[in-house]
Amino acid sequence: GNSVTQMEGPVTLSEEAFLTINCTYTATGYPSLFWYVQYPGEGLQLLLKATKADDKGSNKGFEATYRKETTSFHLEKGSVQVSDSAVYFCALSYVKNSNRKLIWGLGTSLAVNP
Amino acid sequence: AAGVIQSPRHLIKEKRETATLKCYPIPRHDTVYWYQQGPGQDPQFLISFYEKMQSDKGSIPDRFSAQQFSDYHSELNMSSLELGDSALYFCASSFRLVEQYFGPGTRLTVT
Repeated sequence: GNSVTQMEGPVTLSEEAFLTINCTYTATGYPSLFWYVQYPGEGLQLLLKATKADDKGSNKGFEATYRKETTSFHLEKGSVQVSDSAVYFCALSYVKNSNRKLIWGLGTSLAVNP
Repeated sequence: AAGVIQSPRHLIKEKRETATLKCYPIPRHDTVYWYQQGPGQDPQFLISFYEKMQSDKGSIPDRFSAQQFSDYHSELNMSSLELGDSALYFCASSFRLVEQYFGPGTRLTVT
């Protein structure tokens, strides 16, 4: 079946450090891939997405590339800020029986220190 | 741009009480989804509605029910509340099976 494996946290970085959060998936067919972010006490916000192989999603300095050959969608940011402290969820979306389904990773908590 | 609206944002109930959560999807979105997120966990899909009909069902307890009304808003009714029902409840909406947009969530605390 479809699944998402996300690197475990917590991840602690200093401001301006480089961030990578690994996400790999297993899926049949051609799913779409997403990164959602959840700031403390808030809801889930779509950070970026990619709908087909080799697509690169980007937003707010974050990037992720849909790699079919390695079944990965790693999240990267060149220089993190304290305001990036949040929980990041990788998710896979596909359609089954005319229903759109979302498979979530377990989330990676990021803490950025000044 | 309009977003998904959920109310209330916070709710405190006692065990065995009933709670009703409301969700107002983005205008013209035809599908509503409900999720439950326990502390430190990923969201768990509960149920979805397409054009006011139940379209998919996940791990929704029998004590919970939901419906979507003619104006497309949806309500999640939770009865005989248990301590373990304390969680964040998210509503999401989408149009024609495109990506889901999430509301801010309702934090339910059962004491």
